[in-house]
Amino acid sequence: DAKTTQPNSMESNEEEPVHLPCNHSTISGTDYIHWYRQLPSQGPEYVIHGLTSNVNNRMASLAIAEDRKSSTLILHRATLRDAAVYYCILISSNDYKLSFGAGTTVTVRA
Amino acid sequence: ETGVTQSPTHLIKTRGQQVTLRCSSQSGHNTVSWYQQALGQGPQFIFQYYREEENGRGNFPPRFSGLQFPNYSSELNVNALELDDSALYLCASSLAERRGYGYTFGSGTRLTVV
Repeated sequence: DAKTTQPNSMESNEEEPVHLPCNHSTISGTDYIHWYRQLPSQGPEYVIHGLTSNVNNRMASLAIAEDRKSSTLILHRATLRDAAVYYCILISSNDYKLSFGAGTTVTVRA
Repeated sequence: ETGVTQSPTHLIKTRGQQVTLRCSSQSGHNTVSWYQQALGQGPQFIFQYYREEENGRGNFPPRFSGLQFPNYSSELNVNALELDDSALYLCASSLAERRGYGYTFGSGTRLTVV
């Protein structure tokens, strides 16, 4: 499995944007970039995914570098409910399983 | 649209015993996978079932086994429990056609082996 590298933790203030980086220098052409998050005492939750172009949905935006070796998950206005562990995962078009790393623990200050 | 439900939510077993965990998939999903999450770590893939057949397995011994039923519900069985099996066990359902995204996870079963 291609590996991803994320910071262990990040802090943010409520109502401010959060930019979560992910490095994936060994990404292959068929790998999709996925983000899941896990709130306390819950299972992981799908956030967003992309291949080459930037993506937006109601939860977040995903900015993908031109060389695809890194990406950034953007939470536009953090709320206390966004405090969670965020996982960046690569999945090839032939794959099916999610390979979770340690993720980034996001803390949101009121 | 119902989500994924798992039972029981908590369980305590003795080393050497056997345990069965249950999962009801989200309506319309045809694939179920199971993950083990040790405290402070990310979930680790155990196996996946599609059309009642195991079609992928992670690095787990054969004493971890599963079933998927025609209604797409699933069971995870663990024999000869060891202390290291203590973890949160997560079930996730999806559509096979949607590789990697749109997985819906349950809240998990917390297993403690003493």
